[in-house]
Amino acid sequence: AQTVTQSQPEMSVQEAETVTLSCTYDTSENNYYLFWYKQPPSRQMILVIRQEAYKQQNATENRFSVNFQKAAKSFSLKISDSQLGDTAMYFCAFKITYFGNEKLTFGTGTRLTIIP
Amino acid sequence: EAGVTQFPSHSVIEKGQTVTLRCDPISGHDNLYWYRRVMGKEIKFLLHFVKESKQDESGMPNNRFLAERTGGTYSTLKVQPAELEDSGVYFCASSQDGFGALITDTQYFGPGTRLTVL
Repeated sequence: AQTVTQSQPEMSVQEAETVTLSCTYDTSENNYYLFWYKQPPSRQMILVIRQEAYKQQNATENRFSVNFQKAAKSFSLKISDSQLGDTAMYFCAFKITYFGNEKLTFGTGTRLTIIP
Repeated sequence: EAGVTQFPSHSVIEKGQTVTLRCDPISGHDNLYWYRRVMGKEIKFLLHFVKESKQDESGMPNNRFLAERTGGTYSTLKVQPAELEDSGVYFCASSQDGFGALITDTQYFGPGTRLTVL
């Protein structure tokens, strides 16, 4: 069974600073996907970034980037130039590449607060 | 394009009562998922529909939970009878085509239904 661990229940950072959220996972699979989702207060959860395990290059989406360390089973999210709108719950998620198996396995989340 | 919608947004019921949650996926999405987050814990998978068929219901906690997806459109999740431990936020998600071996589609989430069982 796959597990995802987010060891930082809460974090806060000043606006415009850089923050890194940690995520580790455990799996015996070799092919899988990793995701970061964010859920702003009272709003829907949206995908921030995704990484295919077979790709060595770290994914980036504007101010969001990941540090994917496959051997260490680590998948951290870096937010650069943080903005007030980045305040949200952030969930790390995992999905194996297996025909018909589409379920996501989530961590417990990190509540990130951007301080003005 | 409308996103995934869920109804109601909040529900407060007493132990032993019945509650039905509804999810309307994004139009054209064959895949529909239910997840649940109990306070402070991880979001857990409940089940996965492909059109009207249950593809994976390995996460359903027990037979008090019944999920249906009529005609492959909207889905309902009924809890009968509700117990205290059923309290949490129930999320629905949909995706377009999840059967690609090397390609997986993004799951789009609804806002969730917060269920409180007293």
